[in-house]
Amino acid sequence: KQEVTQIPAALSVPEGENLVLNCSFTDSAIYNLQWFRQDPGKGLTSLLLIQSSQREQTSGRLNASLDKSSGRSTLYIAASQPGDSATYLCAVSTTSGTYKYIFGTGTRLKVLA
Amino acid sequence: KAGVTQTPRYLIKTRGQQVTLSCSPISGHRSVSWYQQTPGQGLQFLFEYFSETQRNKGNFPGRFSGRQFSNSRSEINVSTLELGDSALYLCASSHTWTGNTGELFFGEGSRLTVL
Repeated sequence: KQEVTQIPAALSVPEGENLVLNCSFTDSAIYNLQWFRQDPGKGLTSLLLIQSSQREQTSGRLNASLDKSSGRSTLYIAASQPGDSATYLCAVSTTSGTYKYIFGTGTRLKVLA
Repeated sequence: KAGVTQTPRYLIKTRGQQVTLSCSPISGHRSVSWYQQTPGQGLQFLFEYFSETQRNKGNFPGRFSGRQFSNSRSEINVSTLELGDSALYLCASSHTWTGNTGELFFGEGSRLTVL
């Protein structure tokens, strides 16, 4: 059974700092891994999608990497800003069993001005 | 291009009532997935529909049901509401179904409060 873990659960950093969010999954048989951000009371905004054949994806100040063999993904945020404050979730779509996305519990990020 | 639209955004019901939530996917997307989000359980998968067929179902009781129409719009119905059904219900649309590397795009959610 696929399990997705995100550590730390919460993170507080000063503005301008580069930071790394972690996502671990137990079953390496995945199609995709997707990173999202969620603002309080809102829906999820897609940040980056990494397909199983890819190692990383970049969008602006964001870079996500994927290492299937070790069951890990990292989201790197460069030069953090207060507007980056949100909860970040990763989700994996599995190829074994029934196909669905399994979500981690998220990392709540606060960037201090 | 319009995003995923969920209605209603907020609603309050009492125990025992039923509720229907609606989701209109991004134009051209044929897959709609539903998730329940609560502080204690996080995001839990409810259903996935593709081309009017239920492709997958999560571990929820039979009080939760859903369907998808020919225009790809989807609804879920929750009957005999319980306090524990209070949650943010999120809909996600995808060009293709999850078993074929579908990227998810979410709506703003429907916030259900059961009193």
